[in-house]
Amino acid sequence: ETGVTQSPTHLIKTRGQQVTLRCSSQSGHNTVSWYQQALGQGPQFIFQYYREEENGRGNFPPRFSGLQFPNYSSELNVNALELDDSALYLCASSLGLAVGLDNEQFFGPGTRLTVL
Amino acid sequence: KQEVTQIPAALSVPEGENLVLNCSFTDSAIYNLQWFRQDPGKGLTSLLLIQSSQREQTSGRLNASLDKSSGRSTLYIAASQPGDSATYLCAVRPSNAGNMLTFGGGTRLMVKP
Repeated sequence: ETGVTQSPTHLIKTRGQQVTLRCSSQSGHNTVSWYQQALGQGPQFIFQYYREEENGRGNFPPRFSGLQFPNYSSELNVNALELDDSALYLCASSLGLAVGLDNEQFFGPGTRLTVL
Repeated sequence: KQEVTQIPAALSVPEGENLVLNCSFTDSAIYNLQWFRQDPGKGLTSLLLIQSSQREQTSGRLNASLDKSSGRSTLYIAASQPGDSATYLCAVRPSNAGNMLTFGGGTRLMVKP
């Protein structure tokens, strides 16, 4: 069974550029969540995808967008990068959405994004 | 809006001490609470998950308790070791929404040999 993987590991961009981060979910999982973790803080929920549809979004502007593919892998896209977007971006996968299911989230190693 | 707070923000102890990390949350309508470990620059490793109907969970030297009505959880680490040095995060999942987690700011633990 393969765990959650993310690519790339590190990324450096400049203000105004666009970036795409990728996540492969754990085998059998159909739900992917993305979190942003600024240095010294806890992760903050960005959004979640379930069966290719966005299902839930945190307090992030529309320039943060995502996709989920038929194989349940996912992308996080950020347009018009700002300095404050520098953070560790974490992806987590789980099985299902509904309350009542044992759908613990499993996290990937993260992508470290630096915006200069 | 759910808010999760962890106290203390940082802790330094000598090896062998027993220690307690605290987590509090403002909305008691949770489905479960989870404790994670994070090494510098790395992802999250799940340590313990407590369902809202449970009072505690144990794994090795770790014991986590949950008092949902008062909005508190504690993580107890027995006989701490230098390898326990990491940031410990607690997170709650709401009972009336999807599978998203609200995290605290973490406790940065240093265990000195």
